[in-house]
Amino acid sequence: DTAVSQTPKYLVTQMGNDKSIKCEQNLGHDTMYWYKQDSKKFLKIMFSYNNKELIINETVPNRFSPKSPDKAHLNLHINSLELGDSAVYFCASSRDSWTGELFFGEGSRLTVL
Amino acid sequence: AQTVTQSQPEMSVQEAETVTLSCTYDTSESDYYLFWYKQPPSRQMILVIRQEAYKQQNATENRFSVNFQKAAKSFSLKISDSQLGDAAMYFCAYRSFQGAQKLVFGQGTRLTINP
Repeated sequence: DTAVSQTPKYLVTQMGNDKSIKCEQNLGHDTMYWYKQDSKKFLKIMFSYNNKELIINETVPNRFSPKSPDKAHLNLHINSLELGDSAVYFCASSRDSWTGELFFGEGSRLTVL
Repeated sequence: AQTVTQSQPEMSVQEAETVTLSCTYDTSESDYYLFWYKQPPSRQMILVIRQEAYKQQNATENRFSVNFQKAAKSFSLKISDSQLGDAAMYFCAYRSFQGAQKLVFGQGTRLTINP
């Protein structure tokens, strides 16, 4: 069983569209994250939720809206997609918000044309 | 804010040899975690090794070991007996003990293994 799973793994779409990426973890962790990896492979935190509560919100455009219906799920919705949104988006989870390592999903490659 | 620096964008090593990847970080905190993650071409981020700053003993995981120098804020990864499957991007990462904290990554080092 995959511990942290993301869907879809690949997404190609036109500028201006709205898209969502879903993430689920079966590790029983309390905290989940979205990271963005740009074309230079740099990984940067976007959001973090702890038990469905938003605890980290980096300087991300408000076109990006995370939603956590329960602590096992964290979805990312992106409105009005722009070329610069093309990247790999990683979901991750950790046991809690202050200890230990993060467990990552396989990433979702978003390409905006 | 904490920063993590990996000064080697690319490294290469002969199969079966030993290679060391460098990482330095900047923090004013005394308690924190340090990690090395591996990202092979499959894109999956895989934890290689972790170190708690309060532990003086360097962490080891099979062929992987770290040289943690707290005063120097240095955290290098040594890979012994390099194998073709070790080829990947390697990321050093920092996480504070205090409050709700994110993982801060370095820029990554691309490791090539030459057969």
